[in-house]
Amino acid sequence: KNQVEQSPQSLIILEGKNCTLQCNYTVSPFSNLRWYKQDTGRGPVSLTIMTFSENTKSNGRYTATLDADTKQSSLHITASQLSDSASYICVAPQGGYNKLIFGAGTRLAVHP
Amino acid sequence: EAGVAQSPRYKIIEKRQSVAFWCNPISGHATLYWYQQILGQGPKLLIQFQNNGVVDDSQLPKDRFSAERLKGVDSTLKIQPAKLEDSAVYLCASSGPGQGNEAFFGQGTRLTVV
Repeated sequence: KNQVEQSPQSLIILEGKNCTLQCNYTVSPFSNLRWYKQDTGRGPVSLTIMTFSENTKSNGRYTATLDADTKQSSLHITASQLSDSASYICVAPQGGYNKLIFGAGTRLAVHP
Repeated sequence: EAGVAQSPRYKIIEKRQSVAFWCNPISGHATLYWYQQILGQGPKLLIQFQNNGVVDDSQLPKDRFSAERLKGVDSTLKIQPAKLEDSAVYLCASSGPGQGNEAFFGQGTRLTVV
């Protein structure tokens, strides 16, 4: 079954701290894996897209890793800011028609 | 580059009424998606178009939901009649060749059924 699972479901951290979000996927055939940030009341916005051959990709304070062997990905946020409070969604497209398989997301709250 | 446009942003209707949402994808994007996102959950695909053809509508409740994409550009999603459990955010997204087929999302329409 094609699915994407994320953990933790929610997370609270203090401003300035680091955190890591996890994503496990069982999507076949695999082409790439994406992390989206979704602010409350807004549509998801892409943070990174990682292909099969990429292990690490950074976007500012966001660093995504991909282990294609274990089918795991992580999103690491460094020096968190209040504006990082959002849901972070892991997505894997499946099939030739780019069908997107979504995880349930991790809700991150950054407190001052 | 203009993003994905959706309207309305908010809609409140009574159960058993009908409602329609509109989406204008990014110019040149052949793939258009409609998602339903219930509070606290990830988006669930309702229907996916490739140009004006349907690629996947397996999770669309066809007894009450319908969608069309005339001329392969704009799309409308309709619910008739609405139920309380249809309260959700309806997201439209589009993707095109290049950029790893990245999907770009609109702001969504928040539907409340009372």
